[in-house]
Amino acid sequence: TQLLEQSPQFLSIQEGENLTVYCNSSSVFSSLQWYRQEPGEGPVLLVTVVTGGEVKKLKRLTFQFGDARKDSSLHITAAQPGDTGLYLCAGANPGNFNKFYFGSGTKLNVKP
Amino acid sequence: DSGVTQTPKHLITATGQRVTLRCSPRSGDLSVYWYQQSLDQGLQFLIHYYNGEERAKGNILERFSAQQFPDLHSELNLSSLELGDSALYFCASSPGAGGGETQYFGPGTRLLVL
Repeated sequence: TQLLEQSPQFLSIQEGENLTVYCNSSSVFSSLQWYRQEPGEGPVLLVTVVTGGEVKKLKRLTFQFGDARKDSSLHITAAQPGDTGLYLCAGANPGNFNKFYFGSGTKLNVKP
Repeated sequence: DSGVTQTPKHLITATGQRVTLRCSPRSGDLSVYWYQQSLDQGLQFLIHYYNGEERAKGNILERFSAQQFPDLHSELNLSSLELGDSALYFCASSPGAGGGETQYFGPGTRLLVL
């Protein structure tokens, strides 16, 4: 079982639609990060959320950290084909700050 | 470009063989992390080195080993290779000792074991 569970696993939508990706855990995290990975490339950091209840906006992307710091969500408004990719949440294991776990990822396909 | 370099980009080898993957972190970064990503899978953490010392171990097989050298570059050694070891191997680096720091990923090494 994954320490961080992401849903949905796959998402295929039309350009202009909105979507939300979830990242859940039974453990508390000191911080959670969201990465985006394109095929054949390494993940690239989008945002880090640190405070429970925190909301961060990055253009059309809104990230939220749960009050209890066990979950996070990524909301994309008016998705564009350029948003296509694998979205990964990640966090430091609270039992061992040096172990970094990634969720299984959400594969997003935005059709023009 | 993240500033992290990995070589080789592609590697094709046979079962039972041994290979070495190399990673150079971003200038000034002291931590190096290794990850394995199989087809349609998330990233599996293998091992973390900080300033030459092993810091944390993930799901790394006994057939795999790694080290970080005084110049901070790192090598991941995979031996007695099996078909199931075929995957993308990523190296990442961060400035400090970890703890949720931003990790900067290299372009990866695609390993194919035939």
